[in-house]
Amino acid sequence: AQSVAQPEDQVNVAEGNPLTVKCTYSVSGNPYLFWYVQYPNRGLQFLLKYITGDNLVKGSYGFEAEFNKSQTSFHLKKPSALVSDSALYFCAVRDAWVTGGGNKLTFGTGTQLKVEL
Amino acid sequence: SQTIHQWPATLVQPVGSPLSLECTVEGTSNPNLYWYRQAAGRGLQLLFYSVGIGQISSEVPQNLSASRPQDRQFILSSKKLLLSDSGFYLCAWRPPERTGELFFGEGSRLTVL
Repeated sequence: AQSVAQPEDQVNVAEGNPLTVKCTYSVSGNPYLFWYVQYPNRGLQFLLKYITGDNLVKGSYGFEAEFNKSQTSFHLKKPSALVSDSALYFCAVRDAWVTGGGNKLTFGTGTQLKVEL
Repeated sequence: SQTIHQWPATLVQPVGSPLSLECTVEGTSNPNLYWYRQAAGRGLQLLFYSVGIGQISSEVPQNLSASRPQDRQFILSSKKLLLSDSGFYLCAWRPPERTGELFFGEGSRLTVL
């Protein structure tokens, strides 16, 4: 079974400071990992993904994420936060060894990011 | 480019009334299609997925059903709505290759009174 945990319900950061949103995962095989962002009353927007290769993945809007196999983590980061980054962030995982069954993603419960002036 | 359309955007329905939410994808073929429900603005629950026309898999027992009458059309239905069916419903699609990410529609907010 595959699972993902986002241990923080909310993260507060001052504008201009670096931000980190944490995610840990569990899969039987190799993970495919994803980050999404959701603004109020909107659908989820894809930010970035890790499939294979370089452990540091760069995505949209200046976000990046670091894959750490030994710690089974995929934390989302941004060097300098903006007020407009305030939103709900979801981490998701798919087990690369599992085929069929719609290749479903398992989502975390989300982390609310609040960036303040 | 590919786009996904979902409607209606908002819906207020009485208990016991029927429901039909529609989702269409443009600019791709043979997508995998998904219906999610998001309750209380947080966690996502996968309701149904489809890997082809007429092929529907249900993830949780519930008052809802799904159909895929055409390659790029996915419909979520109910014959009689319950109060507990209220929520934010999200349609998503993914290309058939396994490494592909999901692309979401803008969602349909259903309130059952």
